[in-house]
Amino acid sequence: QSVLTQPPSVSAAPGQKVTISCSGSSSNIGNNYVSWFQQLPGTAPKVLIYDNNKRPSGIPDRFSGSKSGTSATLGITGLQTGDEAEYYCGAWDSSLSVYVFGTGTKVTAL
Amino acid sequence: QVQLVESGGGLVKPGGSLRLSCAASGFTFSDYYMTWIRQAPGKGLEWVSYINNRGSTIYYADSVKGRFTISRDNAKYSLSLQMNSLRAEDTAVYYCARDAWGSASYWGQGTLVTVSS
Repeated sequence: QSVLTQPPSVSAAPGQKVTISCSGSSSNIGNNYVSWFQQLPGTAPKVLIYDNNKRPSGIPDRFSGSKSGTSATLGITGLQTGDEAEYYCGAWDSSLSVYVFGTGTKVTAL
Repeated sequence: QVQLVESGGGLVKPGGSLRLSCAASGFTFSDYYMTWIRQAPGKGLEWVSYINNRGSTIYYADSVKGRFTISRDNAKYSLSLQMNSLRAEDTAVYYCARDAWGSASYWGQGTLVTVSS
C-alpha cells in the first residue's frame, strides 16, 4: 500500500551530500507530519526524522528533513560509508486512516 | 533499557492462523501507542496495524482488515497480533514498534512469518 514515491537509489562520494525526495498527496504528506526511517542491512528500521524536520536524540545533524506541499526531502551531508542503507519516508493518510510508507531509496557511498 | 521482543512467528499453511506476541520492558507500556509493521523478503515496509495506549482506537491496513486482530494488555506489558486466514502474501518479518514514527520510536528485531504449503 505504498502511496509515497521515492527514487529507487541515490549515490554520492563520501563526504558529499545526497537528497532523497518523497512525493505524496494532500491526504498524507500535505496535511500530516512526515517521518524518515533508516534501515541498515539486516537490522530493524529506526527513525531519523519525525514531525517533518525534527531529529530524535542521538541522530547526528548531518541528517535533515524538510517538507513543502505534498513532498518531503531527506538530506544527508558528509556522506559516510556507514550511511549506506535503505531509507523510507512515511506519513499518516487521513483519508484512508492508515500509515503509508514510501517505496524506499537505497543510498550508496561510491 | 527499552526492549521489545517479538515471538510466535514460524511456518504455517495457507488458511492457517498464528498469534504474534511482543513483550515490552524498560518503559511505561501504557504511555505509548503501538504498531505492527511488516516487511516481505527483499521488499519495503508495510504498516499493518495501530493501537493507541488504552486500546480504544485501532486501525488496520486494508490488506489485513477482517483477518488480523491487534490487542494489548497494559498490565502484562504485552502486544499481540492474531492472524487468521493467512495467505502467501502475508509472508514477512513482523516488527512491533513503540511510537513507530515519533520522537520515542523503538522497534523490535522482528519475527519471521512464512505462509507456505
